[in-house]
Amino acid sequence: SSELTQDPAVSVALGQTVRITCQGDSLRNYYASWYQQKPGQAPVLVIYGKNNRPSGIPDRFSGSSSGNTASLTITGAQAEDEADYYCNSRDRSGNVVFGGGTKLTVL
Amino acid sequence: QVQLQESGPGLVKPSQTLSLTCTVSGGSISSGSYYWGWIRQPAGKGLEWIGHIYTSGSTNYNPSLKSRVTISLDTSKNQFSLKLSSVTAADTAVYYCVRLQLSPYFFDYWGQGTLVTVSS
Repeated sequence: SSELTQDPAVSVALGQTVRITCQGDSLRNYYASWYQQKPGQAPVLVIYGKNNRPSGIPDRFSGSSSGNTASLTITGAQAEDEADYYCNSRDRSGNVVFGGGTKLTVL
Repeated sequence: QVQLQESGPGLVKPSQTLSLTCTVSGGSISSGSYYWGWIRQPAGKGLEWIGHIYTSGSTNYNPSLKSRVTISLDTSKNQFSLKLSSVTAADTAVYYCVRLQLSPYFFDYWGQGTLVTVSS
């Protein structure tokens, strides 16, 4: 299967650490990338590859992977981190796959 | 800084062809190891990859849309385009043009998105 599965919703207390996961068979062979999307805005890349952050992304965002699961960790979540988060990867045919998205609430 | 901007009709009638263009500034679409593609998002739903194209003209399309999708390049205008035929209400969505990097796959630049509504 080339599908990626994410929890629909996750919450975290302000300043605490949260992990958002993404599961799928393709992740055994290919890295996931992660995107943050706030209401009415285009998604923004926050993590790609093994654990790389584009310029301008705070270092509280990090990525990891084990087996068929990729994780996005936010260490010390801030109010501005409240958003939808999507993972994506590829399958063996070179097609792109996206997770269904996780809505992060910062309490 | 690379910028992408979608343009095209915001309203398309059912059974007709949706046509969008993405204009790229701040870099040439014919240089570098990049792919150029389209992603859509229905209101309140997740992201759906439509397809992408390389500077050589080779393409990858979402299998679920493949029979209706064509993505093409116009290097002289530094643009690429999307055509989606036989549209229905289910094709109503915000359409984003994107730049895709390989190894690994990630979308590093996104247009602001354009809403296309399919309605008579």
